Amino acid sequence: DTEVTQTPKHLVMGMTNKKSLKCEQHMGHRAMYWYKQKAKKPPELMFVYSYEKLSINESVPSRFSPECPNSSLLNLHLHALQPEDSALYLCASSQVITGNTIYFGEGSWLTVV
Amino acid sequence: AQKVTQAQTEISVVEKEDVTLDCVYETRDTTYYLFWYKQPPSGELVFLIRRNSFDEQNEISGRYSWNFQKSTSSFNFTITASQVVDSAVYFCALRLHTDKLIFGTGTRLQVFP
Repeated sequence: DTEVTQTPKHLVMGMTNKKSLKCEQHMGHRAMYWYKQKAKKPPELMFVYSYEKLSINESVPSRFSPECPNSSLLNLHLHALQPEDSALYLCASSQVITGNTIYFGEGSWLTVV
Repeated sequence: AQKVTQAQTEISVVEKEDVTLDCVYETRDTTYYLFWYKQPPSGELVFLIRRNSFDEQNEISGRYSWNFQKSTSSFNFTITASQVVDSAVYFCALRLHTDKLIFGTGTRLQVFP
């Protein structure tokens, strides 16, 4: 079983809604990630937090807002999304060591209507 | 430039057949890390193996084996006596001295009973 847990597993939201995706890990990792994956494509990096500080933002639109309240939690706040934002959103974590393995959660399937 | 190529888009086999998934990578760095992940239909990316560039030993784990050859920049994955549960998309990935995983486009493996 994965040690990175994501909620909810499925989310349907309207374009005017505000919702959040949540991620939790208890492996003591200090790096956490958000990836977006469209159908039949590999995952694409969105954000990286290292020691609870945002270290990478891959030019993600501001309608996606990440938050890292503590070393175990990572949120992704969603507002005014577009239908093309429908995708699988994967949270991941790793040790902050070069080349270390990145462990992924089960993902949250998001549909924007 | 760094790149990972998985030339096989889809492979179909019958149970108990052996199957090899190809992965070719490009990088000028001398230190790098290679990974294989399995993604079943549920969505979770399951970590299978990590290899650093200084360790060319092949590895076997049960029915899984990996062949790392720096001379051909390849890191191929073989499943022996495939089973229906092996049906998934398999991603090869490359990591350098950054937080980014460079994924290949994935190979969809279907194992029929």
